Amino acid sequence: EVQLVESGGGLVKPGGSLRLSCAASGFIFSTYSMNWVRQAPGKGLEWVSFIRSSSSYKYYADSVKGRFTVSRDNAQNSLYLQMNSLRAEDTAVYYCAREWHRDSSDLDVWGQGTTVTVSS
Amino acid sequence: SYELTQPPSVSVSPGQTASITCSGDKLGDKYACWYQQKPGQSPVLVIYQNSKRPSGIPERFSGSNSGNTATLTISGTQAMDEADYYCQAWDSSTVIFGGGTQLTVL
Repeated sequence: EVQLVESGGGLVKPGGSLRLSCAASGFIFSTYSMNWVRQAPGKGLEWVSFIRSSSSYKYYADSVKGRFTVSRDNAQNSLYLQMNSLRAEDTAVYYCAREWHRDSSDLDVWGQGTTVTVSS
Repeated sequence: SYELTQPPSVSVSPGQTASITCSGDKLGDKYACWYQQKPGQSPVLVIYQNSKRPSGIPERFSGSNSGNTATLTISGTQAMDEADYYCQAWDSSTVIFGGGTQLTVL
C-alpha cells in the first residue's frame, strides 16, 4: 500500500524549532518529488515547500523562506522539514504529499498530517 | 505572485450538477487540478491535468480549463460529495492553491 506518515509535530514556543518527518512506503520514494503543504485551523491549503527526487531543486513559499529547510534521505525513504524561528502563524496541520506528474505538479498521495502549534 | 480565485461556497440539490470555478490569469495555459477534502481528512486528488480522473474517482467528476477559468463539474451530485474543493496550479516554481470552495448538498 502506498503510504505517507508524518511525525514530529507538537507544541513549541514562538522562536523555537521543530523537525517534521515523513516516512514513505509502498512506492519507489527516490523517483518522486515531494511537497509539504499546511493548513491552518479553519483555513485553506497552503503550499510550503518542494524538493526534487534527487534533492537538486528545492523551492519554498515566501512565508517560510529563510526559516524552513526541506531535505530528504532516499536511502531511508524519508522526507524532512526543519522549521526554525517559528511564529504563531505557522500553527497548522502539516502534510507531506507526493508529486505525481512533473509537468503538472499534481499531488496524488497525502499523509494524514501532523499538527504544529506555536504558542507561548 | 500568481493567484487562483474560487467562490467561497456553492450549493446544489442532490442529483443536480454542481460547478465550481477557479480563476487565474491565463490559467488555461497551465495545468489545473482539483482536490476534495472532507472534515478531518487529508485532501484527495479528484482531477489532474485539467480533465483526467485518477483511478477510483467516480465518473461524475469532470474538469475543464480554458482561458482564465478552470471548472470542476460534479454531475448527479450525491450527499457524499459534500466537502471542500481546492484547485491547484504550478507557476514559477511554486505550487498555488485556490482559497477553496465549500460544496453544500441540500
